[in-house]
This record gives sequence, structure tokens and C-alpha cells, in this order.
Amino acid sequence: SYELTQSPSVSVSPGQTARITCSGDELGSKYASWYQQKPGQSPVLVIYQDNKRPSGIPERFSGSSSKNTATLSISGTQAMDEADYYCQSWDSSIDVVFGGGTKLTVL
Amino acid sequence: QVQLQESGPGVVKPSETLSLTCTVSGFSIRRGYYWAWIRQSPGKGLEWIGSINYSGSISHNPSLKSRVTISVDTSKNQFSLQLTSVTAADTAVYYCARGGSGSPDQEHDSWGQGTLVTVSS
Repeated sequence: SYELTQSPSVSVSPGQTARITCSGDELGSKYASWYQQKPGQSPVLVIYQDNKRPSGIPERFSGSSSKNTATLSISGTQAMDEADYYCQSWDSSIDVVFGGGTKLTVL
Repeated sequence: QVQLQESGPGVVKPSETLSLTCTVSGFSIRRGYYWAWIRQSPGKGLEWIGSINYSGSISHNPSLKSRVTISVDTSKNQFSLQLTSVTAADTAVYYCARGGSGSPDQEHDSWGQGTLVTVSS
């Protein structure tokens, strides 16, 4: 079965750039999307098709992808960005797969 | 603006069938897109259950496929989930979401608020 691997946690100081990675076999040849989920809330799409931002998502959120890794970057990280982040992609064996999630802490 | 709302029992007995409905407003299911069920066990990550489009084309998570039925009612602008033979492991917040316009493997851009289903006798 296809798996997407994320680090369980990432810490960043306010104003710095946070980078959250998602690894999977040949992930660079598939689209990845990213979701932000705050406690008690539904996930919110922040990046789709590797690097596109939905309307209403701040420009500080960006995405990139290469070979086996997709990366979500948050520049000028703010306290309000503290949340869980999940990547999503697909494989021939399963149409939708999520990474295990990364807890972003803004110290 | 599309809105989704899950509805159904909050408690289901072990071995019984979990049934949920997602009502879509602000957007007609007949216009296309895939419509998904996704769940999240307490303190855990997201797990895709399956997706359906307006014409009834369905894609399932292979790990749940034998227990899952997903259906769509375009006249009511709703889609539904049935999960049979539930156990405590099926206790989760269940979300419905709008998926891709062309295939089920795309991003999910709108989500319901989620509904907690507890499997307990």
C-alpha cells in the first residue's frame, strides 16, 4: 500500500520560515495538496496541485515538490499558523492517501 | 459558496451499520465533482473512506471497501455513507468533503464541520 510520511512535529520561531515535508515513492510525479487543521476544526485546503493557493489563503503559504518529497513552506510564520498539517496525494492502489500529519508549533 | 453538513446518529452499537448523510448547499451535485467521506479517529490523522460523483461512479479505500456503501441522491443534493459491522475502531469524526472536478484523486476544497460517531453498546 502507498504511504506518505510526515515528521510528527516541527517547531519554528515567529517570523521565521517553517518547512513541513511529505515523503512518498515517486511523489514528485503526482500532485500533492496540503491541509491545515486547528483543534476542533475541519481541515482547510491551503495548497493544491503542489504549489497553487486557493482563494483566501495568505501568500506566506507556498508549496513545492521534487522526486519523492513535497514541501509546504510558511514564510513569516505567525502564531495563528500553529496547527496540524496534512499532505494528500494518490497512487495506483488508492485514489486518496493522507500523510500522518505534522504538528506545527510556533514558539 | 458550497457548504456541506453531515447528519446521522452519534452512537452506533458494535456489529451494526453506521449511516450518515451529507447535505450539500450552494452548489448542485449534478454540476460534477467527486464527493468524499473522510474520517479521523480521536487524536489521529485523516483517513479517506471513499468518493462518489453525480453519476454514481465510486472509488473506495481498499482497506474498507468490503464494508462501505456510498450513494448519491441528486434530487435531494445529498450523498450518503453506510459502514457495516462497526467496531470500536470505527469511532471517529466523519467528514464529508468536495473532491476533484475530474477524478477522485484530487484535492478536497470544501469540508463539512464533521460529526462524531461513537461505537458503543
